[in-house]
Amino acid sequence: DQQVKQNSPSLSVQEGRISILNCDYTNSMFDYFLWYKKYPAEGPTFLISISSIKDKNEDGRFTVFLNKSAKHLSLHIVPSQPGDSAVYFCAATATSGTYKYIFGTGTRLKVLA
Amino acid sequence: EPEVTQTPSHQVTQMGQEVILRCVPISNHLYFYWYRQILGQKVEFLVSFYNNEISEKSEIFDDQFSVERPDGSNFTLKIRSTKLEDSAMYFCASTFGHNNSPLHFGNGTRLTVT
Repeated sequence: DQQVKQNSPSLSVQEGRISILNCDYTNSMFDYFLWYKKYPAEGPTFLISISSIKDKNEDGRFTVFLNKSAKHLSLHIVPSQPGDSAVYFCAATATSGTYKYIFGTGTRLKVLA
Repeated sequence: EPEVTQTPSHQVTQMGQEVILRCVPISNHLYFYWYRQILGQKVEFLVSFYNNEISEKSEIFDDQFSVERPDGSNFTLKIRSTKLEDSAMYFCASTFGHNNSPLHFGNGTRLTVT
């Protein structure tokens, strides 16, 4: 049962343009959502998160949007830079009732110079 | 910035052998986790640990696996009798609380079972 889904395995974007990575979830108990970036041979690095009481959170070039009714979140990176090329994972948890953070399958972003 | 450290970075073992993967979580964190990633696949939850006991575990975390926090700083994952399918990257993670707190991950141990 894949509770967190990233339907795009890969995405290519020109440097300077916007990158939009999408994530869908099925469990309505999830109330905290996160995005991680992962380079090869490294662990996931936390980027940005959002609580279900918000619909947008911004940190520099990174903005996460949450649409609770659609059970959908997205990560916008603008402007995209070649150093942003990595695999991006979304993750979700329910802050009561579970300790698990469930990860999606990842989207490989390639930013072209 | 404090970080989660894992040793060794790569462990090669023969099938049937025991391995211990080691982690030093961030010092003021209270919740500790192990995840694994089989090559090219998703990051899978194995186990969470809080207040010196397992708080939650996945179906992957069977009797061959155990975790321990032997002192105030280390957090270990033991696999008693390794199988070929245990070959994966194992990531340790920690967080201060479970209320809107992100997990912070180490760089992983690549376990290769031959």
